[in-house]
Amino acid sequence: AQSVTQPDIHITVSEGASLELRCNYSYGATPYLFWYVQSPGQGLQLLLKYFSGDTLVQGIKGFEAEFKRSQSSFNLRKPSVHWSDAAEYFCAVGPFTGGGNKLTFGTGTQLKVEL
Amino acid sequence: DADVTQTPRNRITKTGKRIMLECSQTKGHDRMYWYRQDPGLGLRLIYYSFDVKDINKGEISDGYSVSRQAQAKFSLSLESAIPNQTALYFCATSDSRLADETQYFGPGTRLLVL
Repeated sequence: AQSVTQPDIHITVSEGASLELRCNYSYGATPYLFWYVQSPGQGLQLLLKYFSGDTLVQGIKGFEAEFKRSQSSFNLRKPSVHWSDAAEYFCAVGPFTGGGNKLTFGTGTQLKVEL
Repeated sequence: DADVTQTPRNRITKTGKRIMLECSQTKGHDRMYWYRQDPGLGLRLIYYSFDVKDINKGEISDGYSVSRQAQAKFSLSLESAIPNQTALYFCATSDSRLADETQYFGPGTRLLVL
């Protein structure tokens, strides 16, 4: 069965500092991988996704993530955090089967940005 | 207008009551999903529908039922609400014609069962 681990429940960074949110997955084949962001009172917005090709993917809002098969990781990064990035971030994995994308989500990482 | 809408956005109900949460989409996607979000647990899949005649149970379907009235509409019902169904509920859609079938989420319905 597929699973996703986000080991950091809460992270606090200063505005302008770099950010890395960790995501490790377990899946027996090539996965689809996603990062979503949930701002307070909002739904989930797709930040970026990986399903093939270049292992470094660029997303919206200046975020990027790198797929490392050997480490079963898909960590999210941003070189300089803005106060508006404060939100909850979810990593998700889906099967590369084309038979329907039943996503499994991690438990989320709450990001706080100090001014 | 939002592509995926959910009504109501907030709901308070009492134990034992039947309630329905509705989801509509204008994205033209064929697949729709219902998730619930609980603090510290992330999102968990309740039901999903690959088309109007294809409905499937997800990870946590007990106590819930769904209806796919049209390609654009997918409703979630709690037949007899209980307090541990208090949660944030999300509807999502995806397009089977796309290779990665990215899911797009509605704004959520916050449900409180007293």
